[in-house]
Amino acid sequence: KQEVTQIPAALSVPEGENLVLNCSFTDSAIYNLQWFRQDPGKGLTSLLLIQSSQREQTSGRLNASLDKSSGRSTLYIAASQPGDSATYLCAVAPGIIFGKGTRLHILP
Amino acid sequence: DGGITQSPKYLFRKEGQNVTLSCEQNLNHDAMYWYRQDPGQGLRLIYYSQIVNDFQKGDIAEGYSVSREKKESFPLTVTSAQKNPTAFYLCASSGRHQETQYFGPGTRLLVL
Repeated sequence: KQEVTQIPAALSVPEGENLVLNCSFTDSAIYNLQWFRQDPGKGLTSLLLIQSSQREQTSGRLNASLDKSSGRSTLYIAASQPGDSATYLCAVAPGIIFGKGTRLHILP
Repeated sequence: DGGITQSPKYLFRKEGQNVTLSCEQNLNHDAMYWYRQDPGQGLRLIYYSQIVNDFQKGDIAEGYSVSREKKESFPLTVTSAQKNPTAFYLCASSGRHQETQYFGPGTRLLVL
């Protein structure tokens, strides 16, 4: 059964720093992997989706990579800003299995 | 404005009562999903529908029911058989199954 893990559960980083969020999965036979952002009490906002045939996707200050063989994905955030503070979740398909998320706090 | 709407924002259920959560989308998406989120937890899939008049159980379907009579609508009923219904419920849609998902604002269900 697919399991998705996100470590650490929480992270605090000074404003302006670059940072990496991690997502690992146990079954490498994935269809795609998606990164989301969730603000407190709100729904999820899709950030990036990586197909199984791709190695990375970029959107603005965000870059997501995928290494299926090692069961890992990373979300790189450049030049962090206080507005980046949120919980970041990854999810893999098939099955659409979510990790528990990393709660990110950018310190002004 | 294209998007997904969920109503109500807050819903209160009495013991033994069935309640229905609304989810509507005007994105012309074929696939729709219902998730449950508990504090400090990721999302768990309750039901999904790839096309009108068809739906499949997710990981935690017991105590829930859905219908998909229209492309735009995917209501979720929380039945009295669901013994621990207090949670944040999120609806999502995607163009086709397992493509990029777009989420609604959520409904918080509380038990009186």
